[in-house]
Amino acid sequence: DQQVKQNSPSLSVQEGRISILNCDYTNSMFDYFLWYKKYPAEGPTFLISISSIKDKNEDGRFTVFLNKSAKHLSLHIVPSQPGDSAVYFCAASEQEYNNNDMRFGAGTRLTVKP
Amino acid sequence: NAGVTQTPKFQVLKTGQSMTLQCAQDMNHNSMYWYRQDPGMGLRLIYYSASEGTTDKGEVPNGYNVSRLNKREFSLRLESAAPSQTSVYFCASGWTVQETQYFGPGTRLLVL
Repeated sequence: DQQVKQNSPSLSVQEGRISILNCDYTNSMFDYFLWYKKYPAEGPTFLISISSIKDKNEDGRFTVFLNKSAKHLSLHIVPSQPGDSAVYFCAASEQEYNNNDMRFGAGTRLTVKP
Repeated sequence: NAGVTQTPKFQVLKTGQSMTLQCAQDMNHNSMYWYRQDPGMGLRLIYYSASEGTTDKGEVPNGYNVSRLNKREFSLRLESAAPSQTSVYFCASGWTVQETQYFGPGTRLLVL
């Protein structure tokens, strides 16, 4: 039973536009959420995170929004660049930040077209 | 500074064969992890080692064993490979279980 779901396997956007990647979760005990980015033939790399006490966290072009009542988070990339083309995974854990119980979504492949 | 390295990059096994996936990190991290990633599914934790000398089961440990050989190295062993273990395996490391983990490039395993 997947507790973290990314329902869009792929997303294509034009360079300079906004990319919005979505993630839903079912476990109401999750209180820490992360996004990872993965290029082909490489491992995932940490991108941005958010604690459940916040509803927004921003880092440069990347912003993560958390809607606890809807059990939904999203990653906004503005403006999108071709180098952002990658697979994006969302992840969540129950105990603040804890790698031992982290659950990952299946990923969304973002393609940014020049 | 190579970060997290994994060997081999790709391996084909026959059902019932055994093999060990190797992982090493040069960042002096205390914690290390093994994940598997299957099509349409997220990464799932197989085993982890919070510190040198300790190992614990993750979400999907059945069919696997691990060894934390020293602080740098964490190996994953398949004693009798099954087609269900066809997957991409990622090793990761971090300072503690509560800090960012850094992933290796992955090992693609095919069990026929």
